[in-house]
Amino acid sequence: GESVGLHLPTLSVQEGDNSIINCAYSNSASDYFIWYKQESGKGPQFIIDIRSNMDKRQGQRVTVLLNKTVKHLSLQIAATQPGDSAVYFCAEKRRSSASKIIFGSGTRLSIRP
Amino acid sequence: DGGITQSPKYLFRKEGQNVTLSCEQNLNHDAMYWYRQDPGQGLRLIYYSQIVNDFQKGDIAEGYSVSREKKESFPLTVTSAQKNPTAFYLCASSGDRGLDGYTFGSGTRLTVV
Repeated sequence: GESVGLHLPTLSVQEGDNSIINCAYSNSASDYFIWYKQESGKGPQFIIDIRSNMDKRQGQRVTVLLNKTVKHLSLQIAATQPGDSAVYFCAEKRRSSASKIIFGSGTRLSIRP
Repeated sequence: DGGITQSPKYLFRKEGQNVTLSCEQNLNHDAMYWYRQDPGQGLRLIYYSQIVNDFQKGDIAEGYSVSREKKESFPLTVTSAQKNPTAFYLCASSGDRGLDGYTFGSGTRLTVV
């Protein structure tokens, strides 16, 4: 079946360092990928997305990399700050139809002072 | 401001009672979704609706019911048949007939007492 997995359930990073959160997906038909950030007690917030015709996309302090050959997605956060502490979900979808987004189980990012 | 509003933020229910969670959006989105999130876990899809007066079961629909009489509103009823209803419930919406990412509400935490 379809699944979106994450390599690590938790990640601890020193404040100011870069964070890299990884995600594997199994459906080769997926052509749209999204990263969400969820702070405690809140709903997920959109961070950045990428279509399958791209392999890299940059936002403010965040970069998403897509490797379709190995079905791998990563989120890089530059100069990690305390406010980056949250659970990060990757999600995938086939944009060719009104299909549902499939969410991974999430990676909890904690920041060491 | 456009957004998606869930109410109430916290809800307590006695065993055997039905309870309805509200979800309203003013984003003019066609598609709306309900997810359940348990502690330390990802999002599981309960029900979704891609158009008014139509909805489909998600992965864990048993014990839940929904209606979609208006484009802006997608209420979720947690019935007494739901054996373990204590969870964090998230509503989301999507424009462009569900072809893009989701906008989430801030969630309702339901506790059965």
